[in-house]
Amino acid sequence: DIQMTQSPSSLSASVGDRVTITCRASQTISSYLNWYQQKPGKAPNLLIYAASNLQSGVPSRFSGSGSGTHFTLTISSLQPEDFATYYCQQSYRTPLSFGGGTKVEIK
Amino acid sequence: EVQLVESGGGLVQPGRSLRLSCGASGFTLDDYTMHWVRQAPGKGLEWVSGISWNSGSIGYADSVRGRFIISRHNAKNSLYLQMNSLRAEDTALYYCVKDRSSGWNGYFDYWGQGTLVTVSS
Repeated sequence: DIQMTQSPSSLSASVGDRVTITCRASQTISSYLNWYQQKPGKAPNLLIYAASNLQSGVPSRFSGSGSGTHFTLTISSLQPEDFATYYCQQSYRTPLSFGGGTKVEIK
Repeated sequence: EVQLVESGGGLVQPGRSLRLSCGASGFTLDDYTMHWVRQAPGKGLEWVSGISWNSGSIGYADSVRGRFIISRHNAKNSLYLQMNSLRAEDTALYYCVKDRSSGWNGYFDYWGQGTLVTVSS
C-alpha cells in the first residue's frame, strides 16, 4: 500500500504570508496527486488535481507542483478564508490514500 | 447542480450491521467511479471503498476488507455501503464522493455532507 506523509502537521502563519505544505509518497505515484481543503464542520473541497492543475473556481494563489514521490502545495499570499486543514491524496493505485493533514492556523 | 445525499447512519452496537445509502443527482451516475470516504471524530480522512462506473472494479481499504461491501444501482442513481461486523473504530462521518473519472486515477470533485455512524454498546 502507498503511504502519504504530509509535513508539517500544523503551522501558524499571518495573512499575506507565503505558505508551503509538503506531501511525500512511499513509492512513485507519477502525478496522481490531489489536494483538498477542509474547513471545520464542512466536507473537503478539491483544490488541485494531477499535482498541478487548479480546480475550476479555486483562487490562483493556490498552486501545486511535484511528481514521483515529492509534492508541494503553495499558497502565495494567505487570506483569512484559507485557514483550514489541507490534505493530499494519491490516486495512482488502490487502496487510495490520504496524507494525515496540515492544519493552517492564524498566528 | 451536483448533489450527493447520504443516509442510513446512526448508533449501532459492536458486531452489528448497517447499510448506508447515497442518492445522486445533477449528473449521470453511470459515467463515474464513486467512493466512500470516512473521517473519525477529530481525525483525518480515510478512503474506505470505491466502485467503478459499471461495478466491474471494486476496491477496499485494508481496514474494512471482508466486512464492508460497496454496490451501486445506476438506474436508481444510488450508491450503497453495507457495513458488517462493525467495530468501535468504524465510528466516523461517512462521505459519499464522486470521482471525476470512470476509473481509478481521477480525483474527488464532489462530496456529500456525510452521515454519522457511531458504533458503541
